[in-house]
Amino acid sequence: KNEVEQSPQNLTAQEGEFITINCSYSVGISALHWLQQHPGGGIVSLFMLSSGKKKHGRLIATINIQEKHSSLHITASHPRDSAVYICAVRVMGTSGSRLTFGEGTQLTVNP
Amino acid sequence: NAGVMQNPRHLVRRRGQEARLRCSPMKGHSHVYWYRQLPEEGLKFMVYLQKENIIDESGMPKERFSAEFPKEGPSILRIQQVVRGDSAAYFCASSPRPGDVGYTFGSGTRLTVV
Repeated sequence: KNEVEQSPQNLTAQEGEFITINCSYSVGISALHWLQQHPGGGIVSLFMLSSGKKKHGRLIATINIQEKHSSLHITASHPRDSAVYICAVRVMGTSGSRLTFGEGTQLTVNP
Repeated sequence: NAGVMQNPRHLVRRRGQEARLRCSPMKGHSHVYWYRQLPEEGLKFMVYLQKENIIDESGMPKERFSAEFPKEGPSILRIQQVVRGDSAAYFCASSPRPGDVGYTFGSGTRLTVV
């Protein structure tokens, strides 16, 4: 079983819809990252969380440390949001800032 | 600030050749992490380096793979005698210190072994 599980694996939405991607982890963590990866492209860091909630534009990320769960929300989704969204955690006790990743959620937003 | 620079973006090697992947961290970052993304799989940690030191190489295959981060110049991930199974995207990330603030990824190197 992976230490980091994401759901859903694939998500298709219509432009304008509210989107939620979930991440659950089974280990103690120091921080959680949400990342975005476009096809053939690099990885962009969206958020780094250790508690609570963060917002940037149409993106909102929340984390519940007690429940070992985080969500990424996209409001008023747009076709340019189509990408793979990856949850990654820094496991307590691991070296430096080494990250452990979920498998990613492929998001497709149709116009 | 140019961000984390990886080169080449795409690299094609024949089986048995050597592949050298370069990563220049962001200015002021002395911690470098290499990750591998195999086709249709998630990212996996390979190695963590600070200047002139390998801190954690627990994710590196035992043979053919090596990494360095010299005092001057970029970090290098070296794969000797490449095989088809080495075909993947290799990403580098850097941070200014242990911890998550300022953690930045490069654009990756896509290695294809033919």
